[in-house]
Amino acid sequence: DAGVIQSPRHEVTEMGQEVTLRCKPISGHDYLFWYRQTMMRGLELLIYFNNNVPIDDSGMPEDRFSAKMPNASFSTLKIQPSEPRDSAVYFCASSQASGRGYTFGSGTRLTVV
Amino acid sequence: TQLLEQSPQFLSIQEGENLTVYCNSSSVFSSLQWYRQEPGEGPVLLVTVVTGGEVKKLKRLTFQFGDARKDSSLHITAAQPGDTGLYLCAGGGGSTLGRLYFGRGTQLTVWP
Repeated sequence: DAGVIQSPRHEVTEMGQEVTLRCKPISGHDYLFWYRQTMMRGLELLIYFNNNVPIDDSGMPEDRFSAKMPNASFSTLKIQPSEPRDSAVYFCASSQASGRGYTFGSGTRLTVV
Repeated sequence: TQLLEQSPQFLSIQEGENLTVYCNSSSVFSSLQWYRQEPGEGPVLLVTVVTGGEVKKLKRLTFQFGDARKDSSLHITAAQPGDTGLYLCAGGGGSTLGRLYFGRGTQLTVWP
C-alpha cells in the first residue's frame, strides 16, 4: 500500500492567489481528515469526511477555505484568496473506522508571500 | 482550549537516559493513541491503548493508559538519538464521531 499521498509537497505562492492541495487516502479507509500544523498552534483539525460526506467543518478558519471529497479516493483543500497567515504544513490523514489510528500523508508545506 | 495537555513541551537529554512524557485530560476517552513525528514527515502511529490501566510495550517504549482513561504516559528506557522527534498523544472513540483530539506534543531531542 502506498499510504496517504499528498501533493504538492511544497507550494510557494503569492498573497491573493488560489491554492489547491490534494490528497489520496488509503483504499478502504472511510474517514479522511485535513489538518494544519504550525509551531504556535500545533495540529488543528480543519475538516473531516466520513464516506465522502463532510461531518465537521467547524475548524475551517474562514470562508476562504473549502474542501471537497468527490469520491472515496480523492479530496482537495482549496484556499482562495491565500494570505501569509495561511503559511503552515497541511496534512491529510485517513482512518479505517471510528477510533482507529490515523495514517498521515507527508504533508504539504505552504508558504504564502 | 486543548482537550489533551502534554508535558513537558520540550525535553533534551543525553543518550542512555530514561524519560517519561505525560498526556492529561479532564475528559474520558475510549481510546488513546501515541504518534511520533519526524521533521518533514507526518505523524506515525506507535500504539493504541483502549482499556483503563492497560500497559503496552514497544521495545524500549512503555505506554500506560490511566485507570480512569483520562491520562496516559510514555516511558522511554535508555533513549537513543533515533528516538528524537515530536511525540503526540490523541484521544478518541465513543462520542467523538470518528475524530481524534490531539495534544500539542512533546519535542524530544536525544544527544549522542
